[in-house]
Amino acid sequence: DVKVTQSSRYLVKRTGEKVFLECVQDMDHENMFWYRQDPGLGLRLIYFSYDVKMKEKGDIPEGYSVSREKKERFSLILESASTNQTSMYLCASSYKETQYFGPGTRLLVL
Amino acid sequence: SQKIEQNSEALNIQEGKTATLTCNYTNYSPAYLQWYRQDPGRGPVFLLLIRENEKEKRKERLKVTFDTTLKQSLFHITASQPADSATYLCALDPLTGGGNKLTFGTGTQLKVEL
Repeated sequence: DVKVTQSSRYLVKRTGEKVFLECVQDMDHENMFWYRQDPGLGLRLIYFSYDVKMKEKGDIPEGYSVSREKKERFSLILESASTNQTSMYLCASSYKETQYFGPGTRLLVL
Repeated sequence: SQKIEQNSEALNIQEGKTATLTCNYTNYSPAYLQWYRQDPGRGPVFLLLIRENEKEKRKERLKVTFDTTLKQSLFHITASQPADSATYLCALDPLTGGGNKLTFGTGTQLKVEL
């Protein structure tokens, strides 16, 4: 079974803090994705990566950066957290067309 | 502009009935469309994929249809059970960029009552 794990289920941070969200997959997938999910807006793609050290902006990259130093790990970085980044963050990896999601990190920025 | 529409209102049905969820899209020409299930506080889980040259696909109690002329997919759950209660998301490939990106609808919440 594919396993995608995320470093935290719940996280509370203060405005202006630098926040790291980690995602690890164990299936040697090339592609990895970061989404945020908000009520009424659905899943929105922040960044994705199709290979180590490669990254592409998604639909809402502003205020975020990513890092992929190893194939199995894809990190999302909030350089200076703001209250409008309070959300559910979901990581996924894909084999061909199908995406496999982690359990999500619910981030609250105060 | 490109849009994927799913009914935002929850669908309530009785146990044993067939649930039918709709996904409509505009200004996309997807090569395939997928359906995912999402339980509260969890990540989505892949259910089915249907390609543009397929009219219908089945998996156990699930059936998906794909009409590229109407730009619509229907997702059916037959003999529904309370355990089927969840939010169901449709997703399609936007055909922009690489990496097997998907664009998701906002989902429809299904509640199956006893």
